[in-house]
Amino acid sequence: GQGVEQPDNLMSVEGTFARVNCTYSTSGFNGLSWYQQREGHAPVFLSYVVLDGLKDSGHFSTFLSRSNGYSYLLLTELQIKDSASYLCAVRDQSAQGLTFGLGTRVSVFP
Amino acid sequence: NAGVIQTPRHKVTGKGQEATLWCEPISGHSAVFWYRQTIVQGLEFLTYFRNQAPIDDSGMPKERFSAQMPNQSHSTLKIQSTQPQDSAVYLCASSSSSYEQYFGPGTRLTVL
Repeated sequence: GQGVEQPDNLMSVEGTFARVNCTYSTSGFNGLSWYQQREGHAPVFLSYVVLDGLKDSGHFSTFLSRSNGYSYLLLTELQIKDSASYLCAVRDQSAQGLTFGLGTRVSVFP
Repeated sequence: NAGVIQTPRHKVTGKGQEATLWCEPISGHSAVFWYRQTIVQGLEFLTYFRNQAPIDDSGMPKERFSAQMPNQSHSTLKIQSTQPQDSAVYLCASSSSSYEQYFGPGTRLTVL
């Protein structure tokens, strides 16, 4: 079956960085996405990766290791407004819908 | 571009009543997804349409839940005989690509 695991919470300081980890298991990996969700709002797409390695998108970077079933989202130069939940989602070759993790609540403090 | 529109934003029903949720996808998007979100289960996939045709409903509870897409501008999710465990935020998303989904604001369903 499929499963996506993320830590519940992560705290960091403004101006530094935060790395949100995600581990997954799937029978036919077909891509991994990251979404940001603020309290009371809809998830917003951040990044999609399907090949191994680091994808630098400026403020957000994503890493993928398919052999280890592992990804991380790296947020650099943190701002208070980056405080939100970050959701990892995996797509399987046999399904169209995404399988989401429960999300990691990132709190950025001054 | 107004984004994905969902109505109503909040709905309260009594146990055993029917609830119909509406979604208007982004114009030009060929794919429509329905998810529900709870604190305990997180975001769960329910069903998927492409070019209005139902493609994958593997996440839908087989009893009481049904979804339709009668035209390219709207989709509905109907829950019959609602139960307290159906309480959740129901999210609709649309997409024009294979990986980026745009979510609507959701409908918060509360079953008393």
